[in-house]
Amino acid sequence: AQKVTQAQTEISVVEKEDVTLDCVYETRDTTYYLFWYKQPPSGELVFLIRRNSFDEQNEISGRYSWNFQKSTSSFNFTITASQVVDSAVYFCALRAPFGNEKLTFGTGTRLTIIP
Amino acid sequence: SQTIHQWPATLVQPVGSPLSLECTVEGTSNPNLYWYRQAAGRGLQLLFYSVGIGQISSEVPQNLSASRPQDRQFILSSKKLLLSDSGFYLCASSTNYGYTFGSGTRLTVV
Repeated sequence: AQKVTQAQTEISVVEKEDVTLDCVYETRDTTYYLFWYKQPPSGELVFLIRRNSFDEQNEISGRYSWNFQKSTSSFNFTITASQVVDSAVYFCALRAPFGNEKLTFGTGTRLTIIP
Repeated sequence: SQTIHQWPATLVQPVGSPLSLECTVEGTSNPNLYWYRQAAGRGLQLLFYSVGIGQISSEVPQNLSASRPQDRQFILSSKKLLLSDSGFYLCASSTNYGYTFGSGTRLTVV
């Protein structure tokens, strides 16, 4: 069975601070995909990144970066120089590469950036 | 690129009333389709998924049902709503790269 754990329920930081959102996953599959989504107050889910389990290179996209550590089954997300617009709920998710392709989500981390 | 149309955006229904939420997909054919629910302050729970017309798999026992009458149409229904059915419902379609989500329906059962 697959499981995604986001232990941080809520985080608040002051604007311009860096913040890291943790994600730990469990799966028996040797190949899988990991995702991060952002859910602003409006409710829609905004895709941020997909990572294949074979690719352990860290990725940076502007102020966003992701640290994939297969040895610890973690896929952490860091926002550098946070902004008020980053305030949202962030979900980490796991998907097997074959079959019904369903996503298993973590419970989400509510991030509040204080101006 | 895929687009998912989901309606209505908000819905307030009394306990015991029926429900029908519709989701249609544009920009792809034969997609896998999903219904997720997000209870207030909680994560996303997969309710149903469909890999083709008429093929529905249920993830959790509940008061809801789903149907897929056409390739790009996915419907979530209930004959009698319960208070516990309140939540934010999201339709999704999977692609080779990831998921596309609809804008969601916020259902309040009163």
